Amino acid sequence: QSALTQPASVSGSPGQSITISCTGTSSDVGGYNYVSWYQQHPGKAPKLMIYEVSNRPSGVSNRFSGSKSGNTASLTISGLQAEDEADYYCSSYTSSSTPFYVFGTGTKVTVL
Amino acid sequence: QVQLVQSGSELKKPGASVKVSCKASGYTFTSYAMNWVRQAPGQGLEWMGWINTNTGNPTYAQGFTGRFVFSLDTSVSTAYLQISSLKAEDTAVYYCAREGYCSGGSCYYYYYMDVWGKGTTVTVSS
Repeated sequence: QSALTQPASVSGSPGQSITISCTGTSSDVGGYNYVSWYQQHPGKAPKLMIYEVSNRPSGVSNRFSGSKSGNTASLTISGLQAEDEADYYCSSYTSSSTPFYVFGTGTKVTVL
Repeated sequence: QVQLVQSGSELKKPGASVKVSCKASGYTFTSYAMNWVRQAPGQGLEWMGWINTNTGNPTYAQGFTGRFVFSLDTSVSTAYLQISSLKAEDTAVYYCAREGYCSGGSCYYYYYMDVWGKGTTVTVSS
């Protein structure tokens, strides 16, 4: 099972908006609304930011939003802040036997 | 508060075994499934599988069969990951992460992990 494809890096200035893409196939991202996004600061555990494509868990800033079109999901961070600098991973359910989960390749977000 | 507390870092020689623990608190342990996720140094996240905390039935992802075993001790709300015949390429941080909802022997998977342990670093070196 191949990982979902994400850009290696995305950068933006404070206050700007950035979007991270996550491309899969009809067997994962395109076929199900089970896309989630995780933020990981260096040396820390991942943190759930978005689930089921566009839902935010309690406590996650509304500057984070998710969407999906076809086989590509996206995470948008608006009003970029220094604390948003981290690695971001998408994940999706996959119907391609096990693993049931497939993660993205990860994107390093840099706040300029 | 809801948390998963993992055991400390391990340094093992090739061929040895290691058992990583993940103790849950702040919620009913058997009401949620438990995932295990691996992150090799400088690499991304890799799903290893999950375990039904009601029945103890594990599901392993491809590439994590044979040497990897998930288990439970529900009396102390703890999940375990055991890796045998360790190899250098097993060097990684191993995370436990909660998901879904379990009841009456069945787990309903939501396909997202809402609570994560801080990770356990396993280093395999001679």
